[in-house]
Amino acid sequence: KAGVTQTPRYLIKTRGQQVTLSCSPISGHRSVSWYQQTPGQGLQFLFEYFSETQRNKGNFPGRFSGRQFSNSRSEMNVSTLELGDSALYLCASSMTGYREKLFFGSGTQLSVL
Amino acid sequence: DAKTTQPNSMESNEEEPVHLPCNHSTISGTDYIHWYRQLPSQGPEYVIHGLTSNVNNRMASLAIAEDRKSSTLILHRATLRDAAVYYCILRDLEMSHGQNFVFGPGTRLSVLP
Repeated sequence: KAGVTQTPRYLIKTRGQQVTLSCSPISGHRSVSWYQQTPGQGLQFLFEYFSETQRNKGNFPGRFSGRQFSNSRSEMNVSTLELGDSALYLCASSMTGYREKLFFGSGTQLSVL
Repeated sequence: DAKTTQPNSMESNEEEPVHLPCNHSTISGTDYIHWYRQLPSQGPEYVIHGLTSNVNNRMASLAIAEDRKSSTLILHRATLRDAAVYYCILRDLEMSHGQNFVFGPGTRLSVLP
């Protein structure tokens, strides 16, 4: 069974640009959640999607958005990039988002110059 | 949110047991204790979880205090591959991800050959 796949693995952007990151969950998993990891703030929850609907949202500005497709694949978008958006972006999937353990991808390392 | 406290770092010798402590004095009755670990350049991976009783699986054991205000993750024979950051997390499994899946700074475990 394939794991959670995130693409691209590395990304370099400049301030003001926008970026889209992709996450393919494990087959059969309908819940996808996104996290930002930085050395200073650790792992912080961005949002969770289930059946194409955003179910929960963390405390991030509106520049961070996401969506989920009917096949459960998810994308997150960051507009008007800032230097502070440089981070490892992780996605995780599970079947329903309740009770089960989370399976994480290896992340996308975003550098904003 | 119920919070956990872990030592910032610990060191162990290879092939010796490792006891990683976690304090969670404000744990509620519906909080499960979860452990995840993050190896270098990877996303977190599930290790073990429990509610009241001690738990064992192929990766580790989880010892939970009788008052549930603390727990200990036990790696029976540390290997170099166990060097990682270990996160102790409280989850109310009646709530979906994001509502309560809060990562603290974790314990960075170093394993010496």
